[in-house]
Amino acid sequence: QKEVEQNSGPLSVPEGAIASLNCTYSDRGSQSFFWYRQYSGKSPELIMSIYSNGDKEDGRFTAQLNKASQYVSLLIRDSQPSDSATYLCAVMAGGGNKLTFGTGTQLKVEL
Amino acid sequence: NAGVTQTPKFQVLKTGQSMTLQCAQDMNHNSMYWYRQDPGMGLRLIYYSASEGTTDKGEVPNGYNVSRLNKREFSLRLESAAPSQTSVYFCASSARSTSGGEQFFGPGTRLTVL
Repeated sequence: QKEVEQNSGPLSVPEGAIASLNCTYSDRGSQSFFWYRQYSGKSPELIMSIYSNGDKEDGRFTAQLNKASQYVSLLIRDSQPSDSATYLCAVMAGGGNKLTFGTGTQLKVEL
Repeated sequence: NAGVTQTPKFQVLKTGQSMTLQCAQDMNHNSMYWYRQDPGMGLRLIYYSASEGTTDKGEVPNGYNVSRLNKREFSLRLESAAPSQTSVYFCASSARSTSGGEQFFGPGTRLTVL
């Protein structure tokens, strides 16, 4: 079983819609959760971090964490073609010092 | 602030050749990391340095060595390159190594081993 799992996609949404990206993790001791955006041929860019259960909003992005169910999600409101990228979920165990990444979900926002 | 910089951007090696990938950060971060990214495999940690003077193995350390030259610089060396080391290599840094430490990535080095 992979430690951090994401659906590889592609997830296609129309422009202006809400894109919902999901991630599950296996280590119940995980404490820190991150979402990175990676454009083709570029490096990962940190867009959200979340550490406690519930929602965290930043502009059009909302990260949701549910530790009991071991999942973290990213919602992108009013999706734009510029949001088309691969989104990587990353998890750090409590007291640990290493990130474990999922393989990413490819998002396509269509005109 | 340049953030995290990596050199070179591209490199082609022949099997058995050696090379060093350079990484530097100007954010005064304590921790630095080397990852490789392969299609379908995601980002995998090769080595990391939680603080100046320390280095530790990650998930895929075989065939690599690292040096934390000072707080700013962390290099990755391939002593005898193999085709299996063809990949994109990313360096990252973080203010702290424990939980909550957001990592910031350099632009990457695209390495091909023939």
